[in-house]
Amino acid sequence: NAGVTQTPKFRVLKTGQSMTLLCAQDMNHEYMYWYRQDPGMGLRLIHYSVGEGTTAKGEVPDGYNVSRLKKQNFLLGLESAAPSQTSVYFCASSYPPVWRALNTEAFFGQGTRLTVV
Amino acid sequence: GNSVTQMEGPVTLSEEAFLTINCTYTATGYPSLFWYVQYPGEGLQLLLKATKADDKGSNKGFEATYRKETTSFHLEKGSVQVSDSAVYFCAQEGSGNTPLVFGKGTRLSVIA
Repeated sequence: NAGVTQTPKFRVLKTGQSMTLLCAQDMNHEYMYWYRQDPGMGLRLIHYSVGEGTTAKGEVPDGYNVSRLKKQNFLLGLESAAPSQTSVYFCASSYPPVWRALNTEAFFGQGTRLTVV
Repeated sequence: GNSVTQMEGPVTLSEEAFLTINCTYTATGYPSLFWYVQYPGEGLQLLLKATKADDKGSNKGFEATYRKETTSFHLEKGSVQVSDSAVYFCAQEGSGNTPLVFGKGTRLSVIA
């Protein structure tokens, strides 16, 4: 049972390079999220999606783009990486909050550690 | 808007000490409440949850009670172990199309 899988697990980028982080879930969840985690800052929501074909901005969306072309995948793109984007990125997925009959907690991937030099 | 506030860490305890990590929330309605745990080098995983007022969530010796009157969901454990060293996040369920709301996390270190 894979749950939420993130690729890659580690990456080093040079300033100005681009990359895409992939998140895949096999639980048929409607909601998917991208967070970044920095020391002393907790989790900050970058973008999220409430269903296939939809995306929405979170708390810190600048410098990132996302796409949800398939229900099971949520991609996070960095068009021109900056050192301030050095962080650990977590993807998560869940059922919608209103589906109380199901478990609505979020399931997390193992994280992607990104360093921009 | 909805928010979650939890006590700042780090918290350092000796093995077998009693643990409390405070968490309060603001919300319209009565969202489900969660505690997540993040062990070193790993992602977050659900520790326990409560879906309505007065519910008590429990797992691995940890407990938290959904208190509507004080809008709180404090995490407690009677006797911590070194293996409990981790970062603990309080969270509340989103509403409508809004996602989960997390607290900033509390780092717990348990020393032998």
